[in-house]
Amino acid sequence: AQRVTQPEKLLSVFKGAPVELKCNYSYSGSPELFWYVQYSRQRLQLLLRHISRESIKGFTADLNKGETSFHLKKPFAQEEDSAMYYCALGGGATNKLIFGTGTLLAVQP
Amino acid sequence: DGGITQSPKYLFRKEGQNVTLSCEQNLNHDAMYWYRQDPGQGLRLIYYSQIVNDFQKGDIAEGYSVSREKKESFPLTVTSAQKNPTAFYLCASSTPGGGETDTQYFGPGTRLTVL
Repeated sequence: AQRVTQPEKLLSVFKGAPVELKCNYSYSGSPELFWYVQYSRQRLQLLLRHISRESIKGFTADLNKGETSFHLKKPFAQEEDSAMYYCALGGGATNKLIFGTGTLLAVQP
Repeated sequence: DGGITQSPKYLFRKEGQNVTLSCEQNLNHDAMYWYRQDPGQGLRLIYYSQIVNDFQKGDIAEGYSVSREKKESFPLTVTSAQKNPTAFYLCASSTPGGGETDTQYFGPGTRLTVL
């Protein structure tokens, strides 16, 4: 069965500290992984997707098929990174996404 | 942030009443989706539609109904059969195709409260 697991409900770090938001998935086909972000009072929006292999707002994520993971990383957290982050799994013809339960990142000054 | 709108922003309903949530997009997207967002449960797919006049059930379709008569519109009706309707509802749209899962663009959401 397709599944996305985000083990941390809340991750609290200090400004300037490294951040790693964990995401593991289970999928029998060829997975497409995404990170979506929801800032306070803003819409849910795409942060990055694995096929783009790009860095957005200093965040990167590498798809590790051996560990079935797609962890989101940033070397130095900023206060404006505070938000709810969702990992999502796609793939197949339906264009559906399966979301994880989300991790609330709180960056303390 | 235009392009996909949801109305109303807040909605209150008495038990036993049906209520319809609006979702409109002017992005010319073929596919539209309805999610329910609950604390600690992430987003769960209710219904989705890949083309006009066609839609499929998602993971939690019971107690909900949809229609897709126009490309721009995908209203969601929460019926009295939905046992726990109080939640935040998100609508999204995308352009499927190309062999890859496309980015979904989300509306601002509707918060439904059953009194």
